[in-house]
Amino acid sequence: TQLLEQSPQFLSIQEGENLTVYCNSSSVFSSLQWYRQEPGEGPVLLVTVVTGGEVKKLKRLTFQFGDARKDSSLHITAAQPGDTGLYLCAGRSEYNFNKFYFGSGTKLNVKP
Amino acid sequence: SQTIHQWPATLVQPVGSPLSLECTVEGTSNPNLYWYRQAAGRGLQLLFYSVGIGQISSEVPQNLSASRPQDRQFILSSKKLLLSDSGFYLCAWSPSGTGTGELFFGEGSRLTVL
Repeated sequence: TQLLEQSPQFLSIQEGENLTVYCNSSSVFSSLQWYRQEPGEGPVLLVTVVTGGEVKKLKRLTFQFGDARKDSSLHITAAQPGDTGLYLCAGRSEYNFNKFYFGSGTKLNVKP
Repeated sequence: SQTIHQWPATLVQPVGSPLSLECTVEGTSNPNLYWYRQAAGRGLQLLFYSVGIGQISSEVPQNLSASRPQDRQFILSSKKLLLSDSGFYLCAWSPSGTGTGELFFGEGSRLTVL
């Protein structure tokens, strides 16, 4: 059973297009992280959101934490080939701060 | 600054052979340590985590075990590998305490069991 569901699983778009990736759960998390992973490497942290309704921007990337702290979205504006990779969301358990659960991942391919 | 390393990077082992993957963290003390497994292009499955020396929590019953003999060393082991143990193994650390919660990953170890 996957605690966090990401959608879409795969996304192939042209350079310059916008896209949104969703991360949903029926569980509440104390915080939620987004990571980006290149093939054969470990995931790299992009952002952490903590407060319900929080919005964070990282250049062309906008992250939002749901009001109930159960879901999150990642929006990329004017995607570039360098954005290609596997995007993973991860929730930190509200009941055990030592546990982090990962979504199934969204594989993004941005074509030049 | 903190760094995390895991080795070996690539491993090809026959079914029934033992396994030892090692992970060390530098530049911090008393970190929380984690082992995850990742299927190709998919999400990460939590295998073990540790909040201190000798303290191991197992998430999934399986053919693997973990040990933490020193504060910044985490080892993943198996006595007899199965075909299903193949995968990409990731070690990670997180600052202990409540904080906001972030994981920092090693480079990964790709295990192929034949």
